[in-house]
Amino acid sequence: AQSVTQLGSHVSVSEGALVLLRCNYSSSVPPYLFWYVQYPNQGLQLLLKYTSAATLVKGINGFEAEFKKSETSFHLTKPSAHMSDAAEYFCAVSRTGGGNKLTFGTGTQLKVEL
Amino acid sequence: DTEVTQTPKHLVMGMTNKKSLKCEQHMGHRAMYWYKQKAKKPPELMFVYSYEKLSINESVPSRFSPECPNSSLLNLHLHALQPEDSALYLCASSRDPVGLFEQYFGPGTRLTVT
Repeated sequence: AQSVTQLGSHVSVSEGALVLLRCNYSSSVPPYLFWYVQYPNQGLQLLLKYTSAATLVKGINGFEAEFKKSETSFHLTKPSAHMSDAAEYFCAVSRTGGGNKLTFGTGTQLKVEL
Repeated sequence: DTEVTQTPKHLVMGMTNKKSLKCEQHMGHRAMYWYKQKAKKPPELMFVYSYEKLSINESVPSRFSPECPNSSLLNLHLHALQPEDSALYLCASSRDPVGLFEQYFGPGTRLTVT
């Protein structure tokens, strides 16, 4: 069975500072990994995904993530935080085999301060 | 167009009522999903429809009854719900029911059971 662990349920950064949201995965087979963002009272929006093509994945809104097999990690970064980045961020994993069952981490609430 | 629509946005129902949630996508996706999300928690998978057939039921109580009338439409019929069923119900779709393809989420229906 696969799972993801998000370290830090709350992260606070200053506007313009680096954003780093951590995600570690556990999977017995090569995983597909995703980062989603959820703004208050909205659905989830895909930021980026890893599907074994390239280890450094660029997404929307200036976010990127690097797949590191040796560290079983898929951390999300953004060089310069903007106030509009304040939201809940979910890391998720699905299997490479049949069945599209997405397993989410517990989420990280990002706060951006002036 | 990468939009998944859900109606209604908000729903208040009594424990003896029968109501339905509706989800629609016109992206030609062949997999559709229902998730339940409680406050400050990640989404929890309820059902997966693959090519209009129910493929996954995550041991959901029978008071929740899904239906997929065609490839674009997904319903969730509700009957005799409990107050603990109050949550945000999210619909999602993906191109195909395998882990490679990302899921696109609708904005959700906020359900309150009184």
